[in-house]
Amino acid sequence: SQQGEEDPQALSIQEGENATMNCSYKTSINNLQWYRQNSGRGLVHLILIRSNEREKHSGRLRVTLDTSKKSSSLLITASRAADTASYFCATLRADDYKLSFGAGTTVTVRA
Amino acid sequence: DTAVSQTPKYLVTQMGNDKSIKCEQNLGHDTMYWYKQDSKKFLKIMFSYNNKELIINETVPNRFSPKSPDKAHLNLHINSLELGDSAVYFCASSQDSLAGTYEQYFGPGTRLTVT
Repeated sequence: SQQGEEDPQALSIQEGENATMNCSYKTSINNLQWYRQNSGRGLVHLILIRSNEREKHSGRLRVTLDTSKKSSSLLITASRAADTASYFCATLRADDYKLSFGAGTTVTVRA
Repeated sequence: DTAVSQTPKYLVTQMGNDKSIKCEQNLGHDTMYWYKQDSKKFLKIMFSYNNKELIINETVPNRFSPKSPDKAHLNLHINSLELGDSAVYFCASSQDSLAGTYEQYFGPGTRLTVT
């Protein structure tokens, strides 16, 4: 069954603005990962945050994890047209070590 | 250098046919996966192999049969194709044996259309 749910489903922003998307999940996790998928391509791993971490940065990406609320957020700062893609959160469930993906947030960055 | 490759990229076939999708990774990873992505972009794991051994087998019809001749290859064979099998199939690999502890590397996908 689907573990993670992203919110919003779609997001349209102007170049230079920040984009924030959220992910909620249901069961205990080992880690949470964010992936990007450009149209017609495979998924690319962006960042992994473990269950004992609260925040992680990678370049223009900032991920937070709140295990008490079973939620995570991905912030992309100073967005660029090339950030236009779908973003997926994936949770590694603690009970069976299966990576479960949400349905994604489609981000459009307008030039 | 291509890390995870899949062939073919597109596959159009008729109901009832049998088809195979091939996957190869040159990353030296121990674990490989097959995922199905439906029209709503929902990605669901189908199978996972670690060092040629099946470790995850989700509830998929037994018309789907994975085969791992060695740890660098994981092929997917589908018998008696149905309309509902139309989707994009992704192969992926990861470094660890405890599937998912590390990030996964995805292939470019195979778009299967069953008519």
